[in-house]
Amino acid sequence: NAGVTQTPKFQVLKTGQSMTLQCAQDMNHNSMYWYRQDPGMGLRLIYYSASEGTTDKGEVPNGYNVSRLNKREFSLRLESAAPSQTSVYFCASSELPGEKLFFGSGTQLSVL
Amino acid sequence: EDQVTQSPEALRLQEGESSSLNCSYTVSGLRGLFWYRQDPGKGPEFLFTLYSAGEEKEKERLKATLTKKESFLHITAPKPEDSATYLCAAEGGSQGNLIFGKGTKLSVKP
Repeated sequence: NAGVTQTPKFQVLKTGQSMTLQCAQDMNHNSMYWYRQDPGMGLRLIYYSASEGTTDKGEVPNGYNVSRLNKREFSLRLESAAPSQTSVYFCASSELPGEKLFFGSGTQLSVL
Repeated sequence: EDQVTQSPEALRLQEGESSSLNCSYTVSGLRGLFWYRQDPGKGPEFLFTLYSAGEEKEKERLKATLTKKESFLHITAPKPEDSATYLCAAEGGSQGNLIFGKGTKLSVKP
C-alpha cells in the first residue's frame, strides 16, 4: 500500500539551480495536486491536474512548472530556484476533483 | 475574499479533558468542508468530509459538525496519541479549489 510516493525527501539547492520533484500514486486516481506548506501559513495549491492530460494553475504558480506524465505521475519543476521557494512540498491525489485528498510524505526543500 | 480561519492556534489538554477546535469559513458556494490530521514530518491524513449544515460525523474520539459559518472538531476524552496538528479545509469559492486553514496544534499530556 504505497499510496502517494514523493522523491526526494530532502533537497538543498543554491539560488538559480533547477530541479524536479517527482510524485507517483498507485490508487488509479484521476486528479493530482502540488501544495507547499510554510510555517504560519496554510497549505497553498501550486498546480493541479484534474485528469490525465490537463494541468491548471493554483494559488501560487509563479516560478514552477508541472508535467502530468501519465495517470500515475505528476512532477513539479523549479527552473531557477529562489530562497522564497524554501518550503515543504506535498503531492496529493484524489479519485475525482473535490474528493478527499491522499498526501505523500513531503519534500523538504531549502534554497540557499 | 475566501478564507478559512482556525482557532485556537495551539491547544494543550490533559488526557481525558474534552474540548473543541473551531474552523470558521467565508467561502461562497461551499461544496465540502474537510478535516485532516497531520503528524510531524508527515503529510496530512484525511479524517472527515461534511457537506451540509447540520451534518455530523464521528470516528473514535472525534466528532465533526458543520454550520453555515463554521465547523467544530470535538475531541472526547483525548489520549496522548491524539496529539497532532488538525487542518480544516473548505472547497468552493471563486476558484473552486480547496482553501486550507493554518491548523490547530493539539498536545495531549498523560
